[in-house]
Amino acid sequence: ETGVTQTPRHLVMGMTNKKSLKCEQHLGHNAMYWYKQSAKKPLELMFVYNFKEQTENNSVPSRFSPECPNSSHLFLHLHTLQPEDSALYLCASSEAGEVSGEQYFGPGTRLTVT
Amino acid sequence: GQNIDQPTEMTATEGAIVQINCTYQTSGFNGLFWYQQHAGEAPTFLSYNVLDGLEEKGRFSSFLSRSKGYSYLLLKELQMKDSASYLCAALDSNYQLIWGAGTKLIIKP
Repeated sequence: ETGVTQTPRHLVMGMTNKKSLKCEQHLGHNAMYWYKQSAKKPLELMFVYNFKEQTENNSVPSRFSPECPNSSHLFLHLHTLQPEDSALYLCASSEAGEVSGEQYFGPGTRLTVT
Repeated sequence: GQNIDQPTEMTATEGAIVQINCTYQTSGFNGLFWYQQHAGEAPTFLSYNVLDGLEEKGRFSSFLSRSKGYSYLLLKELQMKDSASYLCAALDSNYQLIWGAGTKLIIKP
């Protein structure tokens, strides 16, 4: 595997379910990100991890819980979601501290909450 | 507040030239990025500008004017595969990326 991978690619869950999204990067980066992308809206940064430490939490509801066990893996644990949480969830990675460093994105998980 | 404005949708003809504009208002500024996102795929990096002027990369060029809070992405010799959304993002004083909603570019034969 190369680049940034995400599983699952599609997820349908009920409002009472608990599920997890997984992201893995094979680029040797030490910063990882979770974004939410809704139709016709800007990318919303949710969480940032630098060297496994959470450095950003943009007022995300507690029903979203991130976990970063090491610099290569990032999880987003989901529970008691709302229909408005349906969106594309993108994971990205970059070199920490590199201002002009591009972010490498995974293909995303298309989440539908019913 | 911080804001990025770019057109929602643009249409152009194969072989032509198109310019996608982006204006930004951020707390501080540390550069501007352009990303390309094909439908159902991940965004991919196109360019980064931090100094005023035009940077050319093959068929794609990106321009920045810091005094005007303005950037554009210029695509030449358009191909059908250039049909995608183009995302503008500015890096603020906290090195946080502020994203635009993206411009959907439709290329017609």
